[in-house]
Amino acid sequence: QVQLVQSGAEVKKPGASVKVSCEASGFTFTTYYMHWVRQAPGQGLEWMGMINPSGSTTNYAQNFQGRLTMTRDTSTSTLYMELSSLRSEDTAVYYCARRFEEGYNFGYWGQGTLVTVSS
Amino acid sequence: QSALTQPASVSGSPGQSITISCTGTSSDVGGYNYVSWYQQHPGKTPKLMIYDVNKRPSGVSNRFSGSKSGNTASLTISGLQAEDEADYYCTSYTSSSTWVFGGGTKLTVL
Repeated sequence: QVQLVQSGAEVKKPGASVKVSCEASGFTFTTYYMHWVRQAPGQGLEWMGMINPSGSTTNYAQNFQGRLTMTRDTSTSTLYMELSSLRSEDTAVYYCARRFEEGYNFGYWGQGTLVTVSS
Repeated sequence: QSALTQPASVSGSPGQSITISCTGTSSDVGGYNYVSWYQQHPGKTPKLMIYDVNKRPSGVSNRFSGSKSGNTASLTISGLQAEDEADYYCTSYTSSSTWVFGGGTKLTVL
């Protein structure tokens, strides 16, 4: 079955960077676009960006241009999200996600990784 | 890209039907049939309830249905049950090849 297992919680200081991983299993990793979505405490979902199956192309939400880097390692079926110049507003749960086998959606989700930015 | 507009809250009694709206523009909701809806209970991961405007994943109750008219998509839940109480989010593909979520709607079952 499809599984997306994310790395553990992180605590970072303002200005630092964080890199969150998402290990995929149960499907052919090089077939699907992968996405990152975040949710600040008590707030809604926010789409951050996506990476194509080969890892050659990314598309980021305008809010994250210049600070977000998404990569994928096809040899280990692992997706990465690196966010730099962290500020307190980046405190959130970060999710990786993939669509179901059909349609355009976020059908499968990782368990989420809490990133706390605090001095 | 601005967030899609959802009502902050809706409520209904058990057995009733409710509808949650999701309003965007011709560059997102109105331009593509790629609207999906998610249910999120407190502390849990979002769950896909409807995709491609009106398709239901296997295992999702047929009490949940979706539709779209112009720049507004809607999620209807019929026969409300206590377990339906949750936050609901819509999302749409956009003309910028990105995705945008709605602000979310808190459903209260009275």
